[in-house]
Amino acid sequence: ETGVTQTPRHLVMGMTNKKSLKCEQHLGHNAMYWYKQSAKKPLELMFVYSLEERVENNSVPSRFSPECPNSSHLFLHLHTLQPEDSALYLCASSQELAGGGSYNEQFFGPGTRLTVL
Amino acid sequence: AQKVTQAQTEISVVEKEDVTLDCVYETRDTTYYLFWYKQPPSGELVFLIRRNSFDEQNEISGRYSWNFQKSTSSFNFTITASQVVDSAVYFCALSELNTGTASKLTFGTGTRLQVTL
Repeated sequence: ETGVTQTPRHLVMGMTNKKSLKCEQHLGHNAMYWYKQSAKKPLELMFVYSLEERVENNSVPSRFSPECPNSSHLFLHLHTLQPEDSALYLCASSQELAGGGSYNEQFFGPGTRLTVL
Repeated sequence: AQKVTQAQTEISVVEKEDVTLDCVYETRDTTYYLFWYKQPPSGELVFLIRRNSFDEQNEISGRYSWNFQKSTSSFNFTITASQVVDSAVYFCALSELNTGTASKLTFGTGTRLQVTL
């Protein structure tokens, strides 16, 4: 496979369920991102991992828990979500310089459409 | 704070018409990058262009062209002779100065373009 893949593509879960979203990038990049896309709102950056370390956490509720076991894989663990968490969750990756200062484009996966009942 | 404004929520054109999507940004950084992404119905954001703040030359790529005007903080995108396949949501984004080791994009709310026969 090429590019950035995400599974599952669609997920319906109850508020008491625990589920995980998976993202895999095949581009050899060293940074990965989780975004939330809700209707009529800008894309919201949730988490950033660079060289497998979390470098950004935009005040995301603790019911969202990211995990980056290696530079190619990124997970988003979900538990006790609320209906307002229903959205498209997008994963992205980019190649960044170790010392910072790069502005490389991010490559996105197709997203997981999450519905919380 | 960084901000990207795409005032046009939705645009509808007939095939073969030219269409311009507006993007206005705000930043205090002197070095920054601007991006355009396309999001077709499949959900994946597709990278179209990256432009740095020191390069105000307009760019043309096939039917696509971009007009960067630093004086008005605008980075507009024109599709010439639009086609039905151009129907998508288009996002303008601004990259912040790296404070960590990964780039951060601020997205506009997007413009939905509908091209009909």
